[in-house]
Amino acid sequence: QQPVQSPQAVILREGEDAVINCSSSKALYSVHWYRQKHGEAPVFLMILLKGGEQKGHEKISASFNEKKQQSSLYLTASQLSYSGTYFCGTGDSGNTPLVFGKGTRLSVIA
Amino acid sequence: SQTIHQWPATLVQPVGSPLSLECTVEGTSNPNLYWYRQAAGRGLQLLFYSVGIGQISSEVPQNLSASRPQDRQFILSSKKLLLSDSGFYLCAWSVFGGYRSEQYFGPGTRLTVT
Repeated sequence: QQPVQSPQAVILREGEDAVINCSSSKALYSVHWYRQKHGEAPVFLMILLKGGEQKGHEKISASFNEKKQQSSLYLTASQLSYSGTYFCGTGDSGNTPLVFGKGTRLSVIA
Repeated sequence: SQTIHQWPATLVQPVGSPLSLECTVEGTSNPNLYWYRQAAGRGLQLLFYSVGIGQISSEVPQNLSASRPQDRQFILSSKKLLLSDSGFYLCAWSVFGGYRSEQYFGPGTRLTVT
């Protein structure tokens, strides 16, 4: 089942913070975060695994609440380069491919 | 380092014509491979994935097919394109299947069916 992302869109001024949420109705083994700039391919940002392991970006952080089946992506002191659409992908057990949310469009303005 | 290639970058095809999109990965062996389609302003729809040569799983029944003739080559095909096939086609790879490893996307092919 497709995870639900919120908000659908957000506009920030440079230097402001944002939180993007991703929730699932299924038990999760991992949450992946990607950013896609207009006309380009998605780029991997971060993976959070069940049990606490995470790997990813230097300036972007995320949390994964396994019990609530939720993840949040934290963008602090946003820069113009943060603009794009952010997708979460959720993974359950086994080799079932990730299921991606519909995305959150983030616009950072000067 | 690993690199993923897709071609062509853009394609305009008439309705009813055939389609062949190619994806190759360099610098890794036995990758998991994926084909996604993204309609304008929409999310990522998984079309096919493959865990090995000749092993294809279809997520969405439609007039598209996929093949993996070599370890690092993934091909998306259609015998007759529909208007609804227009979109941004993305190939991706991962080390492991499922939840365990991140996916890396190719540059994509923008297909317009006229």
